[in-house]
Amino acid sequence: DAKTTQPNSMESNEEEPVHLPCNHSTISGTDYIHWYRQLPSQGPEYVIHGLTSNVNNRMASLAIAEDRKSSTLILHRATLRDAAVYYCILRARVDQGGKLIFGQGTELSVKP
Amino acid sequence: DTAVSQTPKYLVTQMGNDKSIKCEQNLGHDTMYWYKQDSKKFLKIMFSYNNKELIINETVPNRFSPKSPDKAHLNLHINSLELGDSAVYFCASSLGTRTDTQYFGPGTRLTVL
Repeated sequence: DAKTTQPNSMESNEEEPVHLPCNHSTISGTDYIHWYRQLPSQGPEYVIHGLTSNVNNRMASLAIAEDRKSSTLILHRATLRDAAVYYCILRARVDQGGKLIFGQGTELSVKP
Repeated sequence: DTAVSQTPKYLVTQMGNDKSIKCEQNLGHDTMYWYKQDSKKFLKIMFSYNNKELIINETVPNRFSPKSPDKAHLNLHINSLELGDSAVYFCASSLGTRTDTQYFGPGTRLTVL
């Protein structure tokens, strides 16, 4: 399985944008880039995913590099509620039973 | 309405006991999973069921036995509990087995004394 690399931790101020980077230099052409986050004492939750083009939804935006070897999750205005561990996960289109392979993730703290 | 629910939320038990954790989803999904999160917060897949059939078994000790009585339920039974089984166990479900979004339950914190 292709691997992702993320910073262990990041800090942000409330109401400022946050850019969470992810490197995936061994990504294959059919791998989707998924982001999940885990709020304290909760199960992981889906944030966003993409293949080649940038994606937006109500929670965040995903910017994917042209060569697809890296991506950035963008939270446009961080709130205290966004403090969580953010996981960047590659998912092969080929059926592998659907399992998510979690790395260490980036622990985001948000200061008021 | 809770999409993926687990019971119990907390489970404290002695070494050597047998215990079960239950999971139910009301999303109409075909696939369900068990993940384990250890004390270092590392999340790892344990099992996956699709339409009540086991499709992933990630070299988990055979003391762990998942059972899926129907598509909406996936229970985890653990025999002869050991200290190292202490962790948070998360159930999840998804529509299919490919790259579909997974929805996680709130977790069951198991403590083995």
